[in-house]
Amino acid sequence: ETGVTQTPRHLVMGMTNKKSLKCEQHLGHNAMYWYKQSAKKPLELMFVYSLEERVENNSVPSRFSPECPNSSHLFLHLHTLQPEDSALYLCASSLRLAGSVKPDTQYFGPGTRLTVL
Amino acid sequence: TQLLEQSPQFLSIQEGENLTVYCNSSSVFSSLQWYRQEPGEGPVLLVTVVTGGEVKKLKRLTFQFGDARKDSSLHITAAQPGDTGLYLCAGDRAGTYKYIFGTGTRLKVLA
Repeated sequence: ETGVTQTPRHLVMGMTNKKSLKCEQHLGHNAMYWYKQSAKKPLELMFVYSLEERVENNSVPSRFSPECPNSSHLFLHLHTLQPEDSALYLCASSLRLAGSVKPDTQYFGPGTRLTVL
Repeated sequence: TQLLEQSPQFLSIQEGENLTVYCNSSSVFSSLQWYRQEPGEGPVLLVTVVTGGEVKKLKRLTFQFGDARKDSSLHITAAQPGDTGLYLCAGDRAGTYKYIFGTGTRLKVLA
């Protein structure tokens, strides 16, 4: 049990749809992350939040819109996606923000498998 | 620029064999993690190493952090089919807000 949950686990959507991915962590962590994992590519960092404030936007297209209403919840709103956006979207959390003076560890959720038709 | 290179990329071995996976960089990391990921699931943390030269053991898995904190290795003794999966290393560096992930090593252990 990682303590990080993601819903839905699978999502199929058309290019004109609007959908949202949800992530919840039950670990009392202060930092949350969105990653994209495509076949045969390393994990790509998308967004980083620390105490509900976005601290990193890794050149992600505006059709992906993150939201962090509190330190336990993270959303990724999807709008007008492209077929190449099909991937496994992973949420992670850590007690402290990456790069802090005291080293820390990320814990991942199970991911949402997204297919864009 | 890929800061963490893993080798080998693919490995197929027989049950009972030993193997080593390497994670190399020219950058210094504050800490380094190893994860195992199964298809359609998120990465599961195996270990975190933070001290140069540190060695940690987890049953048949031995992890080592390089003295200069630029590289790490994962050694599996007597591999079993349950060890099959994608092994990822990840590190964080002071002053950045991100964990850098390696390219991954896909391991298949045949019964």
